[in-house]
Amino acid sequence: QKEVEQNSGPLSVPEGAIASLNCTYSDRGSQSFFWYRQYSGKSPELIMSIYSNGDKEDGRFTAQLNKASQYVSLLIRDSQPSDSATYLCAVTLHNTDKLIFGTGTRLQVFP
Amino acid sequence: EPEVTQTPSHQVTQMGQEVILRCVPISNHLYFYWYRQILGQKVEFLVSFYNNEISEKSEIFDDQFSVERPDGSNFTLKIRSTKLEDSAMYFCASIGGRLYYNEQFFGPGTRLTVL
Repeated sequence: QKEVEQNSGPLSVPEGAIASLNCTYSDRGSQSFFWYRQYSGKSPELIMSIYSNGDKEDGRFTAQLNKASQYVSLLIRDSQPSDSATYLCAVTLHNTDKLIFGTGTRLQVFP
Repeated sequence: EPEVTQTPSHQVTQMGQEVILRCVPISNHLYFYWYRQILGQKVEFLVSFYNNEISEKSEIFDDQFSVERPDGSNFTLKIRSTKLEDSAMYFCASIGGRLYYNEQFFGPGTRLTVL
């Protein structure tokens, strides 16, 4: 079974702190990795994609990928209350575009 | 910025009825997808579509489901005889081309309620 696993949370952080969200995947053939943000009742919104080992930074967001450990993470610096949402990790496998999603981690940023 | 659009935003139907969910992918995108999300559960892949044919489908996508691109802009998902368990949010997504790495952009979704 090809799985993407996330802690469901909630992860509560104070405004201005760093939020760290983690995701593990079971299939070593996973090729592409994505973080989506989903507000309640809304559709997934792409935040970051990462394809190779290491870090990728975009504004307040940093994605980290470690293929040897089958682990991908998302760091949100200077967290804001508007960052409160569910963060979905998704992967694609070799030779397919379909996204395999985790259940998501609910992030709460309190003032 | 171009967006994927979906209509209707909410569809209520009786069990056994046919529904058609509509999507307008981002212009000049070539690959199209349907996903669904049952309330409180993960987003699940249904089907991918390219060059007027299905390229991949999940176990969920059985004979009750079909997809079509009837013209140059719309992409539809039809459920022939809805069941209670079809109640979910249905999301359309698209990507621009068959690059090895690509990002899927989701529409706002259609909430389907089967009574």
